[in-house]
Amino acid sequence: ETGVTQSPTHLIKTRGQQVTLRCSSQSGHNTVSWYQQALGQGPQFIFQYYREEENGRGNFPPRFSGLQFPNYSSELNVNALELDDSALYLCASRPSPTGGTGELFFGEGSRLTVL
Amino acid sequence: GDSVTQMEGPVTLSEEACLTINCTYTATGYPSLFWYVQYPGEGLQLLLKATKADDKGSNKGFEATYRKETTSFHLEKGSVQVSDSAVYFCALSDQDYGQNFVFGPGTRLSVLP
Repeated sequence: ETGVTQSPTHLIKTRGQQVTLRCSSQSGHNTVSWYQQALGQGPQFIFQYYREEENGRGNFPPRFSGLQFPNYSSELNVNALELDDSALYLCASRPSPTGGTGELFFGEGSRLTVL
Repeated sequence: GDSVTQMEGPVTLSEEACLTINCTYTATGYPSLFWYVQYPGEGLQLLLKATKADDKGSNKGFEATYRKETTSFHLEKGSVQVSDSAVYFCALSDQDYGQNFVFGPGTRLSVLP
């Protein structure tokens, strides 16, 4: 059983640039969510995707957007990068959007540094 | 909105000492409660969970009981090991009101030999 994988693991961008982060969900999982974890803080929910549509969103501006593909993999796109976007971005998958055990399965994250 | 509060860290203990990390929550519905652990350089892993009041979650010697009357879910272990050194996150998922998890700020635990 393949777990959640994310790429790239580290990247450095400059303010104003755009970034795309990628995530492959765990086998059998159709729901993917993204979290932002700033240094020394807990993860903050960005959004969740199910059946290729966003079905939940946290308090993040529209320059944070995403996609989910038919194979359930997902992308997180951030436009007009700001210094405060520097963080570890975590992807998590689960078998369904609600119910079940409710457990999230996390990847190891993509660490973004904005200079 | 929903929120989770954890005791401030870092926590430093000697091997075989007892551990308690306090966690309290605020939720509008009937959430499930979780403890996740993050080892250095890794993503978060589920440690234990409880889905209704009075449930006790347990794993790897860690325990936590869902206390609805005190809105708490404190993490305990009777004898910690050096390998338990990590950051511990308390979290809730309120399935009736949203799809997301709400995490606490995390508590860093260091266990010294």
